[in-house]
Amino acid sequence: DAGVIQSPRHEVTEMGQEVTLRCKPISGHDYLFWYRQTMMRGLELLIYFNNNVPIDDSGMPEDRFSAKMPNASFSTLKIQPSEPRDSAVYFCASRPGQGNEQYFGPGTRLTVT
Amino acid sequence: KQEVTQIPAALSVPEGENLVLNCSFTDSAIYNLQWFRQDPGKGLTSLLLIQSSQREQTSGRLNASLDKSSGRSTLYIAASQPGDSATYLCAAPYNQGGKLIFGQGTELSVKP
Repeated sequence: DAGVIQSPRHEVTEMGQEVTLRCKPISGHDYLFWYRQTMMRGLELLIYFNNNVPIDDSGMPEDRFSAKMPNASFSTLKIQPSEPRDSAVYFCASRPGQGNEQYFGPGTRLTVT
Repeated sequence: KQEVTQIPAALSVPEGENLVLNCSFTDSAIYNLQWFRQDPGKGLTSLLLIQSSQREQTSGRLNASLDKSSGRSTLYIAASQPGDSATYLCAAPYNQGGKLIFGQGTELSVKP
């Protein structure tokens, strides 16, 4: 298996622009997680899905952030409009329904200028 | 509310030394505890996962222990090598769904 796939790996955009981050979980995994990592706050969960349904979005910072999972093999995290404080590394992770170990993607490094 | 703390924030040791990284958590009713490694600019690699019913897990030179009663986990690295240099994070799930609460990490440097 190729593991969790994220794209793009790097994104540089200007304040106010829309940003879309993409994730393909490991095939057969029922859970998908979006995390954000910053120097100040470390790793934080933004939202997670179970069988394509959002379960907990309490970590989504503002209405500017939205996430979707239209099918079992694809999820997006959208920021509209983006702000400089959104600059961070965004990780996607997945895990099987039976089992607890989460597998992380390589991350998307977002820079908003 | 689950809180996870790692001490120390940074550690530097000479090659060959055995070392212990510490992780503490506030809610002892955890389902499991997972240790990760993160290399600079890279994603997270899962090292070991200890289920709540277990006391330790081993993988090669790594051994992770879990003491729920004291709210602590340790990651033991034997015969450290320069290639072990990375940031090590522990994480405990907030609930059975798997929302992980991460510690701030310990940045390990193994000097040749």
